[in-house]
Order: sequence, then structure tokens, then C-alpha cells
Amino acid sequence: QVQLVESGGGLVKPGGSLRLSCAASGFTFSDYYMSWIRQAPGKGLEWVSYISSSGSTIYYADSVKGRFTISRDNAKNSLYLQMNSLRAEDTAVYYCAAGSGSSLSNDYWGQGTLVTVSS
Amino acid sequence: SYVLTQPPSVSVAPGQTARITCGGNNIGSKSVHWYQQKPGQAPVLVVYDDSDRPSGIPERFSGSNSGNTATLTISRVEAGDEADYYCQVWDSSSDHPLYVFGTGTKVTVL
Repeated sequence: QVQLVESGGGLVKPGGSLRLSCAASGFTFSDYYMSWIRQAPGKGLEWVSYISSSGSTIYYADSVKGRFTISRDNAKNSLYLQMNSLRAEDTAVYYCAAGSGSSLSNDYWGQGTLVTVSS
Repeated sequence: SYVLTQPPSVSVAPGQTARITCGGNNIGSKSVHWYQQKPGQAPVLVVYDDSDRPSGIPERFSGSNSGNTATLTISRVEAGDEADYYCQVWDSSSDHPLYVFGTGTKVTVL
């Protein structure tokens, strides 16, 4: 069955860095576009970044552009999010999500990893 | 930027029909996806491309999209349908495409 498992979350000080990983299994990873989506405590869903199946197309939300970098390794069935210059407002559960439709739905989601930015 | 507006809450009795709206400028020209999120869990796709259901999603969940409003309809509501629901579109209208999520609607089963 499809499985997405995020890791790498934790407590980090403002200005610090963190690298999230998402391990995929149960589907042909290289056929799927991937996204990172976050949810601050008690808040709604906020899209963070998108990467196409080949990795050739990448988009970021304005709130993270220039600070976060998305990447993928199709040989390792893995997705990454390098987060630099972290701010308190980046505190959230970070989900990775996978999709294959032409209208870019997020078909499968991981369980999320919590990132807390605090001094 | 493109904005999707949902009512904060909808209450419905068991067995009745819940309708959750998602308002956006000319949203009828976009494909709308809907996600269900239960407390402490990850979101689950329940409707994609306005009105299609992924495998395993009950037929009680249906969607429509026209003009400036998309709607998720839950028929014969059950206690297990109590959750937050989010609409989502891909906005490619600018040179900076992005995912947009609605503000979310909490469905309470009375």
C-alpha cells in the first residue's frame, strides 16, 4: 500500500536550519509530483512547495521562497525539504503529499512531522 | 493572489445532507479538490477534479463546481464524517503558479 513517512522534524532556534525527509513506498515514486504542505497549530493547511516528477519544475510559496529548498531523489524514493533561516511562524506540522493527476490533486499524504521554531 | 473562502462551520443531524461551499473568483474554470481531516490525522482526498471520488471513498461524498462556487455534498451524514474539510485548486493564472487551499470548514454532526 502507499506509504509516505516524514522525518527530521524537531525543535530549532530562530535562524536555524532543519532538513525534512519523506520516504515513499508502495507506488512508482518517479511517476508522481510531490509537495510539502504545512499546518500551524490550530490553523488551516498552507502549501509550501511543489516539485514535478522529474524534479525539473519547482515552485515555492512566497512565505518560504529564498529560505526553503525542495529536492527529490527518485533512485532513493525520497523527497526533501531544506529549511534555512527558520522563523517562529514556520512552526507547524509538515506533510509530504504525492499526486499524479493533471489537475494536481494531492492524492496521498504522510502523517506529518512537527517543526517547532523557538528560543 | 487567489483566495478560496469557506464557511467556518456547518452543523448537520445524522442522516441529513451537509453542503460545504468554496467560493473563489470564477472557480468554475478550475479543477477543485476536497480533503477531509479528522483530529490528529493527516488530510485525506475525498473528491478530485470537482466531482470524482478516489477509490474507497463512499458515494455519499459528491462535488460540483460552477461560476464562483464549488460545493462538497455529504449525503446521509454519519458521526464518522465529523471533521475539517478543505477545498483546493491549482492557480496557474500568473507566472507564479501555486496551490491554494480554502480556509477550512468544521463539520459537526449533531
